Amino acid sequence: QIQLVQSGPELKKPGESVKISCKASGYTFTDYAMHWVKQAPGKGLKWMGWINTYTGKPTYADDFKGRFVFSLEASASTANLQISNLKNEDTATYFCARGKVMDAWGQGASVTVSS
Amino acid sequence: DVVMTQTPVSLPVSLGGQASISCRSSQSLVHSNGNTYLHWYLQKPGQSPQLLIYRVSNRFSGVPDRFSGSGSGTDFTLKISRVEPEDLGDYYCLQSTHFPWTFGGGTKLELK
Repeated sequence: QIQLVQSGPELKKPGESVKISCKASGYTFTDYAMHWVKQAPGKGLKWMGWINTYTGKPTYADDFKGRFVFSLEASASTANLQISNLKNEDTATYFCARGKVMDAWGQGASVTVSS
Repeated sequence: DVVMTQTPVSLPVSLGGQASISCRSSQSLVHSNGNTYLHWYLQKPGQSPQLLIYRVSNRFSGVPDRFSGSGSGTDFTLKISRVEPEDLGDYYCLQSTHFPWTFGGGTKLELK
């Protein structure tokens, strides 16, 4: 069955970096784009952007340009999200989700930024 | 950005009853190709969101027919009939017609 398995929770200090992974299985990885969605504690969902898993080209929503990088390890059917120069407001759960209608989601990766 | 306004924010329901959630967009969600990219998700407590309805009215695989979506242009509705305990949680609409994609603020379906 289709599965997206994300990496575990992270506790970081402001200014540090974090890399979250999303490993796909049960389908052909390059057939579907991968999207990233942020959910701050107790808040709603915010779309961050997506990566074309065939070409590797990322597209970022304006609020996520600069410190955020989407990348792939296509041979491992894995999409990654890296956030640099972490700020307190990056504290959130980050979800990966598959395809044009986001029909499969990872379990979420919690990132806590605290000094 | 397209603003998606969901109402109500909180919706108390009785089990077996009916629920209706509205999602209005600040501009038409009809794409130049004629399709309307408005989708609905349910996020149960402590879980990831799950797709319920895609492109306004298409139920995703495995979604009970108690869930139905309708609407056009800027005005969309999700209806849940015969509410069951597993239907409780936060509902979100999402538009993917315009960049950037934007979610509604969410509607919490809870027991009356």
